Amino acid sequence: KQEVTQIPAALSVPEGENLVLNCSFTDSAIYNLQWFRQDPGKGLTSLLLIQSSQREQTSGRLNASLDKSSGRSTLYIAASQPGDSATYLCALAPSGTYKYIFGTGTRLKVLA
Amino acid sequence: DAGITQSPRHKVTETGTPVTLRCHQTENHRYMYWYRQDPGHGLRLIHYSYGVKDTDKGEVSDGYSVSRSKTEDFLLTLESATSSQTSVYFCAIGASEGGNEQFFGPGTRLTVL
Repeated sequence: KQEVTQIPAALSVPEGENLVLNCSFTDSAIYNLQWFRQDPGKGLTSLLLIQSSQREQTSGRLNASLDKSSGRSTLYIAASQPGDSATYLCALAPSGTYKYIFGTGTRLKVLA
Repeated sequence: DAGITQSPRHKVTETGTPVTLRCHQTENHRYMYWYRQDPGHGLRLIHYSYGVKDTDKGEVSDGYSVSRSKTEDFLLTLESATSSQTSVYFCAIGASEGGNEQFFGPGTRLTVL
C-alpha cells in the first residue's frame, strides 16, 4: 500500500533562508505528484504539479523535484518570507488511478 | 482561482440526521473529488467521480454516498450523520488532460452533535 510521509511536521526558519521540504513515498509507480499550500482555515492552493516523466518544476521562488527511484520529492523555497508561512502538503496519484494520497503536511513558520 | 464553490460552508447537525453537501464547478472538469480533513490524519479521499454518473470509492467511503447527475455538481450525502463524521470537507476538481492537476474548493465545516 502506498504511503506518503512528510518530515518534519513543523519547521521554523528566519526570513531570507532557503529551505527544503521533503515528501517521501513507498511505491515508485506514480502518475504524478502535486504540492499544495494551505493557510489556516482555508482550502488548498496548488503550487506545482510534476508528471511522472518529469524531474522538476519551477514557479517563481519555488522548485519541486521528483526522484521516483528513491521515492522522494522535495519542495525548495528560495529566500523565504513571512508570507510563506503555511502548511505545505504533497499528494500523489498511484499509476493507473487519479485517487490521490496526501501526506500529513509540514507546518512552516518564517520569522520576520 | 478555479471556479469551485461548496455549500453550505458551515453546518451543525444532530446525530442520525441526513446531510447533503454540494460542490459546484464552472470549469467543466471531468474529475471531482470529496475529501475530509482531520487533525492527525491529513486529507483522506471519500469518493471521486470520473464523469457524469461514474463514481468510485476512496479510502474512507463507509457512511457516505455521492451522486453526480451533471458535470458541474457533485453531491456528498451522509445518510445518518455520526459524531465521527465531524470534519472539514473539501471538494476538488481535476481535468484529465495535463496530468489532472487538482484544484480545491473553500471547504465545509460540519459538526455533528
